[in-house]
Amino acid sequence: GQQLNQSPQSMFIQEGEDVSMNCTSSSIFNTWLWYKQEPGEGPVLLIALYKAGELTSNGRLTAQFGITRKDSFLNISASIPSDVGIYFCAGLPLGAGNNRKLIWGLGTSLAVNP
Amino acid sequence: DTEVTQTPKHLVMGMTNKKSLKCEQHMGHRAMYWYKQKAKKPPELMFVYSYEKLSINESVPSRFSPECPNSSLLNLHLHALQPEDSALYLCASSQGVRPEQFFGPGTRLTVL
Repeated sequence: GQQLNQSPQSMFIQEGEDVSMNCTSSSIFNTWLWYKQEPGEGPVLLIALYKAGELTSNGRLTAQFGITRKDSFLNISASIPSDVGIYFCAGLPLGAGNNRKLIWGLGTSLAVNP
Repeated sequence: DTEVTQTPKHLVMGMTNKKSLKCEQHMGHRAMYWYKQKAKKPPELMFVYSYEKLSINESVPSRFSPECPNSSLLNLHLHALQPEDSALYLCASSQGVRPEQFFGPGTRLTVL
């Protein structure tokens, strides 16, 4: 099935560093969602984006809907140990209509060294 | 109430057993989902219920049988599973027209 290209696959950073990750697609998307999943838990929605160029923040997290509508970016500023987890992008492609099937990236695994 | 709950948290079953997973939400969402997730992989969609009717079945084997008794509840009946069915099973819900899906904590299933 269709998948989003998410990079990097994993990151190991020092506490206090900023983090950037992105998702790209070969086709246009209407909606981009960013989730965080911690071990043994379900994904938690962080940010939802609906319009090209939209920039939305949630605390230290900022996400952008790319102008081409084929990509999205998530930035985490001043990382802390509790940022550890797997970050997934997901989206709905143009023309999805009432089809509720999200397309998922393979995830970015983040480790933070205190 | 802004959460999706799932029971049980963990389940171990033999290949001849019959068991059920349960999911509940009280957010008034009219779409509910079952996903299967293997370690370090994204969730894979299994079923979607919209307004209590099955709208998507992603060619899931018949040993998995979903049920939506009402708009708040979603069940997944399991029978004659295989060891490769061991995974985290996630339930999610969403409002009628909005794309954001809200996930429960999952049921960790082990098939022996």
